[in-house]
Amino acid sequence: ETGVTQSPTHLIKTRGQQVTLRCSSQSGHNTVSWYQQALGQGPQFIFQYYREEENGRGNFPPRFSGLQFPNYSSELNVNALELDDSALYLCASSPGTSGVRPHEQYFGPGTRLTVT
Amino acid sequence: SQKIEQNSEALNIQEGKTATLTCNYTNYSPAYLQWYRQDPGRGPVFLLLIRENEKEKRKERLKVTFDTTLKQSLFHITASQPADSATYLCALDKAAGNKLTFGGGTRVLVKP
Repeated sequence: ETGVTQSPTHLIKTRGQQVTLRCSSQSGHNTVSWYQQALGQGPQFIFQYYREEENGRGNFPPRFSGLQFPNYSSELNVNALELDDSALYLCASSPGTSGVRPHEQYFGPGTRLTVT
Repeated sequence: SQKIEQNSEALNIQEGKTATLTCNYTNYSPAYLQWYRQDPGRGPVFLLLIRENEKEKRKERLKVTFDTTLKQSLFHITASQPADSATYLCALDKAAGNKLTFGGGTRVLVKP
């Protein structure tokens, strides 16, 4: 088990609603990345936060937004939910400064979001 | 466009044998490649990282190769055990940015 925690575990929302997912990174990790994993597929990179600033974004629309707090925990917000947003949302933290050297990602257990 | 392919068919293997998984990529020049294990309903767990200038990396019963000419990585599990049954994901990282691009994963089932 990694030290990365996510809440809630499961969530059911209706199309058009908004959702906030939370992640606490492993102690000492200053970089948090969010991934979306549809059933039967690999995770897709949404965005990354490093020291409270967005540090790279994947191919996701602006209705996916995030925050990182001074304690390096993070939130993922999704507005105007669509049915295709149903997926497992994974948070991953890593220990080093981005762009300097590669680091393994420590993933949390994920939040299963279902949009009906 | 960039593409990362892993065999989508499950790999069924007898306990004690070597499982070999492939990860092929196109239109991509990764600086690093990582392999992760994912169990159902859980987040991926890091296994191995290999750099573009490394040919091979080992960790216990695991071995990874990285051929940038063929644009391919091979992942081997030797002396496989039923506990090795899981989905294995390869992930590419362009420039140590730690922003990973994942393949679709290959499910491995080790039968006793």
